[in-house]
Amino acid sequence: DVVMTQSPLSLPVTLGQAASISCRSSQSLVHNDGNTYLNWFQQRPGQSPRRLIYKVSNRDSGVPDRFSGSGSGTDFTLKISRVEAEDVGVYYCMQGTHWPPVTFGQGTKVEIK
Amino acid sequence: EVQLIESGGGLVQPGGSLRLSCVASGFTFSNYEMNWVRQAPGKGLEWVSSISSSGSVIDYADSVKGRFAFSRDNAKNSLYLQMNSLGADDTGVYYCARSLGVVWGKGTTVTVSS
Repeated sequence: DVVMTQSPLSLPVTLGQAASISCRSSQSLVHNDGNTYLNWFQQRPGQSPRRLIYKVSNRDSGVPDRFSGSGSGTDFTLKISRVEAEDVGVYYCMQGTHWPPVTFGQGTKVEIK
Repeated sequence: EVQLIESGGGLVQPGGSLRLSCVASGFTFSNYEMNWVRQAPGKGLEWVSSISSSGSVIDYADSVKGRFAFSRDNAKNSLYLQMNSLGADDTGVYYCARSLGVVWGKGTTVTVSS
């Protein structure tokens, strides 16, 4: 199974400042079809997960442009350019290239300093 | 409105069974692969199972293989997760999700305890 490792696991951020979350996979996430199925999810307190980014860098509809995804192969990053109060929650990376099983990172908790 | 609504959670004794349901609305259900994802209290997300749009291909996490059975009824826009031989490690919120994308239900809580 592909292991997804996120860092940091806890991220205190000042409002308006940038935040960056790293996600590393135990093997390359490039699929035979040429796509890289690496997604990012946000889970606000008490809510269901919500996908923010699919295939590394594509923002889902309605996702603010302060969220961006990048990376390739085994190293990926989610960046929030200017953190707002509504961004508090836990962020998960997820790989869908080598499945079953789909695997998630441990989650990174973003909180306001 | 695109929606997924789970039901069927509750308190069950170790070794017991439970059947979860998920009803979809607002989209062409039969076109989509569907998934169950669970979350233990205070823990991260764990993929449980997926089912193809026709129901012909079903995959399970090793942790539930042989105990859980995932099925769908496209005529009723519904998913079912039959869970048997439940243990404490199965406690958590169970979400159904469309293609592990943007559509997730609010979840139903399963508690396995004596």
